Amino acid sequence: QVQLVESGGGVVQPGRSLRLSCAASGFTFSYYGMHWVRQAPGKGLEWVAGIQSDGSRKLYVDSLKGRFTISRDNSKNALYLQMNSLRAEDTAVYYCARDNDVSDHFSYFDYWGQGTLVTVSS
Amino acid sequence: DIVMTQSPDSLAVSLGERATINCKSSQSVLYSSNNKNYLAWYQQKPGQPPKLLIYWASTRESGVPDRFSGSGSGTDFTLTISSLQAEDVAVYYCQQYYSTPRFTFGPGTKVDIK
Repeated sequence: QVQLVESGGGVVQPGRSLRLSCAASGFTFSYYGMHWVRQAPGKGLEWVAGIQSDGSRKLYVDSLKGRFTISRDNSKNALYLQMNSLRAEDTAVYYCARDNDVSDHFSYFDYWGQGTLVTVSS
Repeated sequence: DIVMTQSPDSLAVSLGERATINCKSSQSVLYSSNNKNYLAWYQQKPGQPPKLLIYWASTRESGVPDRFSGSGSGTDFTLTISSLQAEDVAVYYCQQYYSTPRFTFGPGTKVDIK
């Protein structure tokens, strides 16, 4: 069965960096686009970034461009989110999610991990 | 950017009764070349990640009970729970995937038992 397991969250000081990982299993990872979605405490869902199956196309929400970088290693079935210059408002649970589409397009998110909590605080 | 709105913000429904959630997009999410609405619905129970319920506005995901149904086209959509069960208490989000790279979600509708 499809499994997505995030890791790398924790407490980090403002201005510092953190790298999140998502380990995928139960499907052919290299076929699917992947995404990061975050949820601030008590708030709604915010899409953060997405990456095409071969890593050739990367998408970001405008407000985060330049600070966050999405990447993947298909040989390790792993998705990453490098987060730099972190701010208090980046505090959230970060979910990785699989895109349903196996072509060059993006679609809805059919599987989600349990999430990893990032807390930005001094 | 396409802005998604939902109504109501919350609702309380008696067990066995119908729950209706509305979602509106600021512009059409209907792709004319394939006549598909790029709209999904997700359910998020407390302490859990979101779960896909409906995609293409009205296609139920495998394993989702048939009391959940989606309808609508263009800019106006509805998620209906025909007979509310206790396990349906959750927040429900709509999402458009028409306008990439911006996969915007609605603000969510909380469903409780009356």
